[in-house]
Amino acid sequence: KAGVTQTPRYLIKTRGQQVTLSCSPISGHRSVSWYQQTPGQGLQFLFEYFSETQRNKGNFPGRFSGRQFSNSRSEMNVSTLELGDSALYLCASKSLGLVTEAFFGQGTRLTVV
Amino acid sequence: AQTVTQSQPEMSVQEAETVTLSCTYDTSESDYYLFWYKQPPSRQMILVIRQEAYKQQNATENRFSVNFQKAAKSFSLKISDSQLGDAAMYFCAYRRAQGGSEKLVFGKGTKLTVNP
Repeated sequence: KAGVTQTPRYLIKTRGQQVTLSCSPISGHRSVSWYQQTPGQGLQFLFEYFSETQRNKGNFPGRFSGRQFSNSRSEMNVSTLELGDSALYLCASKSLGLVTEAFFGQGTRLTVV
Repeated sequence: AQTVTQSQPEMSVQEAETVTLSCTYDTSESDYYLFWYKQPPSRQMILVIRQEAYKQQNATENRFSVNFQKAAKSFSLKISDSQLGDAAMYFCAYRRAQGGSEKLVFGKGTKLTVNP
């Protein structure tokens, strides 16, 4: 069974640009969550999607948005990039059930210059 | 809001020895889940062990075990017979059991070094 796939693995963007990151969950998983990881703030929850609906959102500005498609694949978009958006963005997928675990992808390393 | 605190930014252990990583959390809920995740240099977060708050018995997975003290809101991870491959960042995480959310709240992590 293939794991969670995030593309691209690395990305360099310029301030003011926008970026789209992609996450393909494990087959059958309908919940996809996104996290931002930085040395200073650690791992912070961005948002969660389930069956194409945003179910929960973290405390990030509106420049951060996401969506989920009918095949459960998810994208997150960051507009008007700032230097502080440089981070590792992690995606996690999960199947239904309270006790099941979330599986993480290897992340996308975004560098804003 | 729930918070998770890992008070040890770095720890080191000799190969084959035992090490304990600390984690405390704050919540007003009675039902929740606690996790320890490992993040090696490859960056992929890997689940090490999981504890359901309603279970009094401490979880164990091979060389990994937890000491779950619900009243004290403490959730430490013990690694026995440490191996070089255990070197990684370890994150403690909390997840609500109710509310239909899969949101994980993470601690800042503990960097574990294993010395040969």
